[in-house]
Amino acid sequence: DVKVTQSSRYLVKRTGEKVFLECVQDMDHENMFWYRQDPGLGLRLIYFSYDVKMKEKGDIPEGYSVSREKKERFSLILESASTNQTSMYLCASSFSTGESNQPQHFGDGTRLSIL
Amino acid sequence: ILNVEQSPQSLHVQEGDSTNFTCSFPSSNFYALHWYRWETAKSPEALFVMTLNGDEKKKGRISATLNTKEGYSYLYIKGSQPEDSATYLCASPHWGQNFVFGPGTRLSVLP
Repeated sequence: DVKVTQSSRYLVKRTGEKVFLECVQDMDHENMFWYRQDPGLGLRLIYFSYDVKMKEKGDIPEGYSVSREKKERFSLILESASTNQTSMYLCASSFSTGESNQPQHFGDGTRLSIL
Repeated sequence: ILNVEQSPQSLHVQEGDSTNFTCSFPSSNFYALHWYRWETAKSPEALFVMTLNGDEKKKGRISATLNTKEGYSYLYIKGSQPEDSATYLCASPHWGQNFVFGPGTRLSVLP
């Protein structure tokens, strides 16, 4: 089975801190994604990556950056955390072949609170 | 940004009832339609990926249909069980667009 592991289930940080959310997948997937989920809204794409060192902005990239130095790891960085970044963050991965018709495999999510 | 809608927002059914809900998406530049089930305290799990108009897929008591010309997909659950309680998400990548998820339908199956 595909395993997508996010480093923390719950995280509390302070406004202005630099925050790192880590995601690791073990299925040699080319594509990796970061989403946030807020009440009443669907999963919103922050950034995605289709290869090592490659990144593409999603629909809500402002205030975030990403890093993909190794194929299995995709990090989301909050450069200077703000309270409006309190949310549930989900990482996902998928194969790239026919990429949009490959299912995404998700981690368990990180519930991040910014105080 | 592509608009993907789901209805109803939430649904309560009795154990044994059959139910269905809807995902709507723009019919132009359609590429694929994904359904996911997201149980509380777990990660979203892929149910179906559908690409062809008229496609119908089945997994146990759950099935889905796709109409790309009118831009909708139905998810059906036959004989709902308490373990079917979850949020059901659809997502529709379109040509030249990112993955866009709908807001989900929250299903509660009462014993």
